[in-house]
Amino acid sequence: AQSVTQLGSHVSVSEGALVLLRCNYSSSVPPYLFWYVQYPNQGLQLLLKYTSAATLVKGINGFEAEFKKSETSFHLTKPSAHMSDAAEYFCAVSVRGTASKLTFGTGTRLQVTL
Amino acid sequence: DAGVIQSPRHEVTEMGQEVTLRCKPISGHNSLFWYRQTMMRGLELLIYFNNNVPIDDSGMPEDRFSAKMPNASFSTLKIQPSEPRDSAVYFCASTEGASTEAFFGQGTRLTVV
Repeated sequence: AQSVTQLGSHVSVSEGALVLLRCNYSSSVPPYLFWYVQYPNQGLQLLLKYTSAATLVKGINGFEAEFKKSETSFHLTKPSAHMSDAAEYFCAVSVRGTASKLTFGTGTRLQVTL
Repeated sequence: DAGVIQSPRHEVTEMGQEVTLRCKPISGHNSLFWYRQTMMRGLELLIYFNNNVPIDDSGMPEDRFSAKMPNASFSTLKIQPSEPRDSAVYFCASTEGASTEAFFGQGTRLTVV
């Protein structure tokens, strides 16, 4: 079985500041890892994914994440926050063969202030 | 492509009534997933289909819930009878082949009063 833990249900940053959203995973087999973003009253949109290629993954809107096996982490970062980044972010894990059968974390709501 | 289409977007029903949620996956996608999102439990996978066949329904909460996929372009999630604790946002997602990207619909917000 696999699971993800997102530390911090709410994160607040100033516009232009670094965004860091934390995700740790647990999986008995090499995982696939994902970050999704959800804007209010919308579905989930894929930001980026790790599928065993490069450990540093770049996604849309300037986000990136680094897979660290030794730390079982897949933290999401963005160098400079923008007001439009305010949303809820979900980390998710799946295993090969059922790559789209996702197990989600509880989500982190990102607030961006002026 | 219009993406994954769910209907209705909002549904308010009385306890005990039957509710049917609908999903049209992206054309050409052969896997379809139903998820439920609540404040208490977050996003949970209810059931998924591959080539119209249910593969894993272990997330379906109880016998009141049922899902069908009669063809590649349509799926339903039915709750009968509905209860207030079923109130949630229900998402449908689809994927193509071995793709690792799931495309989500905008969800159906269900309120059972």
